[in-house]
Amino acid sequence: SQQGEEDPQALSIQEGENATMNCSYKTSINNLQWYRQNSGRGLVHLILIRSNEREKHSGRLRVTLDTSKKSSSLLITASRAADTASYFCATIRGGSQGNLIFGKGTKLSVKP
Amino acid sequence: NAGVMQNPRHLVRRRGQEARLRCSPMKGHSHVYWYRQLPEEGLKFMVYLQKENIIDESGMPKERFSAEFPKEGPSILRIQQVVRGDSAAYFCASSTGQGIYEQYFGPGTRLTVT
Repeated sequence: SQQGEEDPQALSIQEGENATMNCSYKTSINNLQWYRQNSGRGLVHLILIRSNEREKHSGRLRVTLDTSKKSSSLLITASRAADTASYFCATIRGGSQGNLIFGKGTKLSVKP
Repeated sequence: NAGVMQNPRHLVRRRGQEARLRCSPMKGHSHVYWYRQLPEEGLKFMVYLQKENIIDESGMPKERFSAEFPKEGPSILRIQQVVRGDSAAYFCASSTGQGIYEQYFGPGTRLTVT
């Protein structure tokens, strides 16, 4: 099964609302990264949070990490139509060579 | 600073042909990862290379798939005798180091096997 699993699988909101996506993982990690993928395109790196960090901000993005629950959340505030995309969390297992393990993603739709 | 480059962006092959996918990492990056994405799925790791070395190929199918990252030139993912099930988007990513560093992705190569 996937190391990272996002929840919900799909999310539809109105412009201006906040969007929250969650990610759970199974093993110990070095860090957790969030990526965005627009339909049919490559992945864009959004934010990396290390295993010894609990919260990180970047612009309208806020990421939290709870290693005791093996979970992370991505919050996008004041969403825009341009935020419509799939969002993936990816982890690097502790002791691994650095390959990312992705979940299946959350498909976010922001309606204008 | 150019990002990760992949070519071709789209590749159509008939069953039994060979597919060669190329990836040029970002300037200054010496670590390359290849991932495969099936429709409506997340990315699955295939192989991790440094210059002239395969570090981890635990995600590579045992048959028909190979990868290299020569001293000069791009990294190549080679699929011999393609089958319909190989149809997918193949992404490469590069980073400055192993483990804790951000990986930056290319736009992908979409392989269609007819």
